[in-house]
Amino acid sequence: QKEVEQNSGPLSVPEGAIASLNCTYSDRGSQSFFWYRQYSGKSPELIMFIYSNGDKEDGRFTAQLNKASQYVSLLIRDSQPSDSATYLCAVSSYNTDKLIFGTGTRLQVFP
Amino acid sequence: EAQVTQNPRYLITVTGKKLTVTCSQNMNHEYMSWYRQDPGLGLRQIYYSMNVEVTDKGDVPEGYKVSRKEKRNFPLILESPSPNQTSLYFCASSSDTILTDTQYFGPGTRLTVL
Repeated sequence: QKEVEQNSGPLSVPEGAIASLNCTYSDRGSQSFFWYRQYSGKSPELIMFIYSNGDKEDGRFTAQLNKASQYVSLLIRDSQPSDSATYLCAVSSYNTDKLIFGTGTRLQVFP
Repeated sequence: EAQVTQNPRYLITVTGKKLTVTCSQNMNHEYMSWYRQDPGLGLRQIYYSMNVEVTDKGDVPEGYKVSRKEKRNFPLILESPSPNQTSLYFCASSSDTILTDTQYFGPGTRLTVL
């Protein structure tokens, strides 16, 4: 079992819709959870991070964490074509300073 | 401008010819890291450094070396490159532990080993 799993996609949504991206992880000791966005040919950039169970909102983005079920999700409201990119989930724990990435989900927002 | 720089951006080399990819950050960050990105495998950590002279292995350290003699620089060394090291490499830095702080990524180095 992979440590961090994501559906590779592509996930296609129309402009203005809500895009829902999911990520599951295997290490119950994981403490920190990150969502990165990576445009084709570019480097990853952090969108947001979450540490506590529940929701965390930042503009059009909402991260949701459920440690009991070991999943973290990212919701993108009012999706725009400029949101089309690969979204990487990353997980870390207090036991290590390693950051484990999922393989990413490719999101396509069509006009 | 705060940034992480990598050089070269593109490199084609042959098996066994030693090479170094440089990484430098101007943000006075403590933590630096190297990743490789391969299709279907995602980003995998090669080595990381918590501070000067402090380095540790990531998930895929075989075939790589690093050094951290200065805070701003974290070069990645391939002593004897092989074709399976053909990949896209990213350097990253953050001001503190990656658990609580944003990692800033460099622009990437695309390496091809023939």
